[in-house]
Amino acid sequence: DQQVKQNSPSLSVQEGRISILNCDYTNSMFDYFLWYKKYPAEGPTFLISISSIKDKNEDGRFTVFLNKSAKHLSLHIVPSQPGDSAVYFCAASPRGGGNKLTFGTGTQLKVEL
Amino acid sequence: GAVVSQHPSWVICKSGTSVKIECRSLDFQATTMFWYRQFPKQSLMLMATSNEGSKATYEQGVEKDKFLINHASLTLSTLTVTSAHPEDSSFYICSARNRIQGNGYTFGSGTRLTVV
Repeated sequence: DQQVKQNSPSLSVQEGRISILNCDYTNSMFDYFLWYKKYPAEGPTFLISISSIKDKNEDGRFTVFLNKSAKHLSLHIVPSQPGDSAVYFCAASPRGGGNKLTFGTGTQLKVEL
Repeated sequence: GAVVSQHPSWVICKSGTSVKIECRSLDFQATTMFWYRQFPKQSLMLMATSNEGSKATYEQGVEKDKFLINHASLTLSTLTVTSAHPEDSSFYICSARNRIQGNGYTFGSGTRLTVV
């Protein structure tokens, strides 16, 4: 039972354009969401997070949007850069935020020149 | 910032042997550590949660006698894969709960285990 889903296994974007990565969840107990970037054979690196009390959080080129009613979140990267090419995982945690994370299946982003 | 050091980064072992993976929090105390496993092109799957000084909590389907977790101090947790088999070959990652960074979780760099 995949509680966090990333339906696009891959995404290709041109440098300078916007990258939009999507994530859906089914567990209504999730109230803290995170995005991680991962390179092969390395651990995930934290990018940005959002609490369920917000619908948007922005940090530099990265913005996360949360639509609680749709149980959907998205990560926007603008402008996209070649160094952004990696696998992006969304993750969710239930109320309290200090509990275990449930990860999505990941989206491979490729930013082309 | 909070750093979690994971060793080894890769290991090859023979079937039937045991392998120990270490995770250390370098500049903070990690009362809780999480162990994940990732198969190629799949998600990170939580295996177990370990709390310092107590027994680990394993996720459904994870054999606790095969994947031994020890969290004896606030800065060190170990995962031992006992009697390893080729199907245990995977990428193992630890994560520590920290309160220094707002995101609350810091990941190790992972261990690539290959059982031959």
